Amino acid sequence: NAGVTQTPKFQVLKTGQSMTLQCAQDMNHNSMYWYRQDPGMGLRLIYYSASEGTTDKGEVPNGYNVSRLNKREFSLRLESAAPSQTSVYFCASRAGVGNTGELFFGEGSRLTVL
Amino acid sequence: LAKTTQPISMDSYEGQEVNITCSHNNIATNDYITWYQQFPSQGPRFIIQGYKTKVTNEVASLFIPADRKSSTLSLPRVSLSDTAVYYCLVGALYNQGGKLIFGQGTELSVKP
Repeated sequence: NAGVTQTPKFQVLKTGQSMTLQCAQDMNHNSMYWYRQDPGMGLRLIYYSASEGTTDKGEVPNGYNVSRLNKREFSLRLESAAPSQTSVYFCASRAGVGNTGELFFGEGSRLTVL
Repeated sequence: LAKTTQPISMDSYEGQEVNITCSHNNIATNDYITWYQQFPSQGPRFIIQGYKTKVTNEVASLFIPADRKSSTLSLPRVSLSDTAVYYCLVGALYNQGGKLIFGQGTELSVKP
């Protein structure tokens, strides 16, 4: 019973490098989200996907791109990493109509940009 | 989107009841109120959800007044393991995954 799986769990990048954070859920949820959490701060929404084939900007989308590859997978890409993107990234999913709307989170991906 | 406001931090002692209040003055008619708990190095997890009046489950109670402009999460007889950050989230259940914006959260510290 995996729930929401994120890879990698840890990553160190140099400024200007690119990388993709992967997220997959096995609960057949419609909606998926990417949040970032800086030390001592709350969660900020980067992008979300209401359903397969759609993506929308959240609070802090600059510097990121996303792809909803299929219903299970939602990836987050940093094209040119900057030190300001050092953070813990959380992926979450949520079922659609007929459910409580509870968000299920992954364990997080800790990214350091040097 | 309904913005939420919570106290930044709270202290308590083991065995006490803790009440954390969240203000959401511009809550919409179809918005529900959901509380999450987050431990260090983990993603948040669902605690309780409600629309109006009172909801109780095995870990907490949620009190929502008639005007729904605030809500109070009540944790009975807290223990050291309840030390965590608590977030109040306001949003529609059935908006097919619209924006879900977290506030700053309340850092609860339970002391022996």
